[in-house]
Amino acid sequence: NAGVTQTPKFQVLKTGQSMTLQCAQDMNHEYMSWYRQDPGMGLRLIHYSVGAGITDQGEVPNGYNVSRSTTEDFPLRLLSAAPSQTSVYFCASSALPSGSYNEQFFGPGTRLTVL
Amino acid sequence: AQSVTQLGSHVSVSEGALVLLRCNYSSSVPPYLFWYVQYPNQGLQLLLKYTSAATLVKGINGFEAEFKKSETSFHLTKPSAHMSDAAEYFCAVSKETSGSRLTFGEGTQLTVNP
Repeated sequence: NAGVTQTPKFQVLKTGQSMTLQCAQDMNHEYMSWYRQDPGMGLRLIHYSVGAGITDQGEVPNGYNVSRSTTEDFPLRLLSAAPSQTSVYFCASSALPSGSYNEQFFGPGTRLTVL
Repeated sequence: AQSVTQLGSHVSVSEGALVLLRCNYSSSVPPYLFWYVQYPNQGLQLLLKYTSAATLVKGINGFEAEFKKSETSFHLTKPSAHMSDAAEYFCAVSKETSGSRLTFGEGTQLTVNP
């Protein structure tokens, strides 16, 4: 298993440009999520999904869109990039939340710089 | 609302010394608490978790943490630091036993000096 993969690893954008951060997992996990990591702030939840066709907002959703057309993929879209979106983005997946603990597996991250 | 606070953004210890990384939580419901480690340029890896079983939790790489409800704390310890322990450590809380929708602390960068 490749686990959770993210592309690209690095990206530089100009203000106003759009792009999609890709996330894929091969563990048949229903639950997927996106976090952003900023210095001194830990990781903050952007959006999450409990299955194909179902998404919901996390703590900091503004400026980001998501969709979940397949179990494997959960892309994160920036429609009009802003410097405040400069960050490291992590995708995570786990089995569907139930009554017991399911470990979240994190991807290696995408480092995004918006000029 | 739930939150975690990690005391000390940087901690420096000598190799072989005790490692103590502090985490306090705030939660209106019984919390589920986690420690993650992030090595340079890598994603996060679960070190250990508290999900309302034993209050003393043992994790990987010799780390352990104790859940103290009276102190609202979940400090991470290791008796003897190793150079390979140098990394950033995150405390996180979830109100769901599944560990989804995590709320993270600010992180503590651990440096181990030879």
